[in-house]
Amino acid sequence: KQEVTQIPAALSVPEGENLVLNCSFTDSAIYNLQWFRQDPGKGLTSLLLIQSSQREQTSGRLNASLDKSSGRSTLYIAASQPGDSATYLCAVSPYNNNDMRFGAGTRLTVKP
Amino acid sequence: ETGVTQSPTHLIKTRGQQVTLRCSSQSGHNTVSWYQQALGQGPQFIFQYYREEENGRGNFPPRFSGLQFPNYSSELNVNALELDDSALYLCASSYPGGWGEWSEQFFGPGTRLTVL
Repeated sequence: KQEVTQIPAALSVPEGENLVLNCSFTDSAIYNLQWFRQDPGKGLTSLLLIQSSQREQTSGRLNASLDKSSGRSTLYIAASQPGDSATYLCAVSPYNNNDMRFGAGTRLTVKP
Repeated sequence: ETGVTQSPTHLIKTRGQQVTLRCSSQSGHNTVSWYQQALGQGPQFIFQYYREEENGRGNFPPRFSGLQFPNYSSELNVNALELDDSALYLCASSYPGGWGEWSEQFFGPGTRLTVL
């Protein structure tokens, strides 16, 4: 059974810092891994999707890496801003697209 | 292109009642998945519908049921509501790309259900 863990559960940093969020999963047989952002009480905004054959994806100040063999992914946020404050979730999908498994998220606060 | 939409936005019910939540998939997407997100947790997979048939189910009791219509919109029905059913319910749409591949799942804004 696939289990996804995110560390840390919460993180508070001053504006301008670079930071790394971690995600680990127990079953390496994944189709893809996705990072989402969720603002309080809102739905999910997709940030980056990494296919199982890829090692990383970049979008603006965000860079996500995937090491399938070790069951790990990291989300790197450069030059953090107060607007980055949100909960960040990672999720892995199996090959049949069923049962997308999510971590519990990392709640990020960026202080001005 | 219209994204994934859900209705209603918020809903308050009492224990024992029944509720129906609705989801319209993104244009061209024939697969809808439903997730339940309790406060402070990640979303949990309820079930998926592909071409109007259930195509996988998570660890949820039979009182959680669903439908998919010919236009690929979907409903989630929950009978005999319990206090623990209070959560954000998310739907996501996607489509198969052939050769066992699938598109990215696109999520709707969710329906917040409160059971009193």
